[in-house]
Amino acid sequence: DIQMTQSPSTLSASVGDRVTITCRASQSTSSWLAWYQQKPGKAPKLLIYKASTLESGVPSRFSGSGSGTEFTLTISSLQPDDFATYYCQQYNSYPTFGQGTKVEIK
Amino acid sequence: QVQLVESGGGVVQPGRSLRLSCVASGFTFSSYGMHWVRQAPGKGLEWVGVISHDGSESYYEDSVKGRFSISRDNSKNTLFLQMNSLRAEDTAVYYCAKDYSAQTEYLHHWGQGTLVTVSS
Repeated sequence: DIQMTQSPSTLSASVGDRVTITCRASQSTSSWLAWYQQKPGKAPKLLIYKASTLESGVPSRFSGSGSGTEFTLTISSLQPDDFATYYCQQYNSYPTFGQGTKVEIK
Repeated sequence: QVQLVESGGGVVQPGRSLRLSCVASGFTFSSYGMHWVRQAPGKGLEWVGVISHDGSESYYEDSVKGRFSISRDNSKNTLFLQMNSLRAEDTAVYYCAKDYSAQTEYLHHWGQGTLVTVSS
């Protein structure tokens, strides 16, 4: 199984900050990586797929990059609606998720 | 638009069985792989398993292999998760999710989830 490790586990930030979350894979996943946002009590929502392709309707302040074993999710200017938990997921083989990164208000 | 509605959750004793359902609408159900993903209280997401678009193949995460079974009825746009020999550690919200394609890729749409509590 491919293990996914996110860092940090928790991130404290203010509105307007640039935020970066890292996801590392235990072996190469090529570009087969997705990012999801989850708010408390809600289902996850797809943000990005194929490492850097923005899902339709997702604000352009979200971006993804990377390939192989190291990936990043960047929020260019954090908005109040962005305080949530973010998960990466590889799909080079059967899906596995990172443990999540909670973005909280500083 | 795509809608996925899970049902069947509840409180069940350890060792017993439970079957979850997920009714799909807004897309051609028989054309897409379908997944189950779970989330224990306060924890992260855990992929449970996937079934191919035609139901011919299914794959499972190791901790549920041999206990859980995924099936689908394409004539009724419904996905199932049969859970046997339930354990306390199976307590979670269970989500069904539609794959992007007929293969196993990313999870494009998710249901709202149904809570399963395994407790005596």
